[in-house]
Amino acid sequence: DGGITQSPKYLFRKEGQNVTLSCEQNLNHDAMYWYRQDPGQGLRLIYYSQIVNDFQKGDIAEGYSVSREKKESFPLTVTSAQKNPTAFYLCASSPDRTAQNTEAFFGQGTRLTVV
Amino acid sequence: AQSVTQLGSHVSVSEGALVLLRCNYSSSVPPYLFWYVQYPNQGLQLLLKYTTGATLVKGINGFEAEFKKSETSFHLTKPSAHMSDAAEYFCAVSVPTGRRALTFGSGTRLQVQP
Repeated sequence: DGGITQSPKYLFRKEGQNVTLSCEQNLNHDAMYWYRQDPGQGLRLIYYSQIVNDFQKGDIAEGYSVSREKKESFPLTVTSAQKNPTAFYLCASSPDRTAQNTEAFFGQGTRLTVV
Repeated sequence: AQSVTQLGSHVSVSEGALVLLRCNYSSSVPPYLFWYVQYPNQGLQLLLKYTTGATLVKGINGFEAEFKKSETSFHLTKPSAHMSDAAEYFCAVSVPTGRRALTFGSGTRLQVQP
């Protein structure tokens, strides 16, 4: 079945450690996104990528990094510079990087907790 | 830049009652508007979207929304609530000339009372 796979579903990190969240899609979509979800704040855009080897910062990129070496993969690294990383992270993809009227398709999310 | 405001972080209705979730947008150009639903600890699922054409949009699970340019609104409705509708709902916007990513509202949690 086609879809977006995020792993792991739950992740625990010690303070000061970097951690990488995986996002893979087999939908052949050009565009991919990372959002952070906190209670009462909706979804906030961290990074997005319209094409392989290119990505742009979203609204809350500080303390995060991404790569887009393959069309189907868009991993997110939460670095030690992110002061409050505990949150629910959602990866999404969209079929057409040039069309803003196209909806995004979401993975099931990764819940990151700093311990 | 475009933005979305969802009025009411929590809405409670009785089973069988009308569901009305409010969304107002801000955009300097005609927007594209979306409603998503999220069940606990899951991703988001598209309910419906407005791009161009008919302003009354029908979606899945009996939901619909009407784009009203004069009121800058895109409220979500369902005539009769079902227990399975209990979830969090997000309104989102994008614009033709802007950033190629959706901008989301803060969400509305819908409770359905038996």
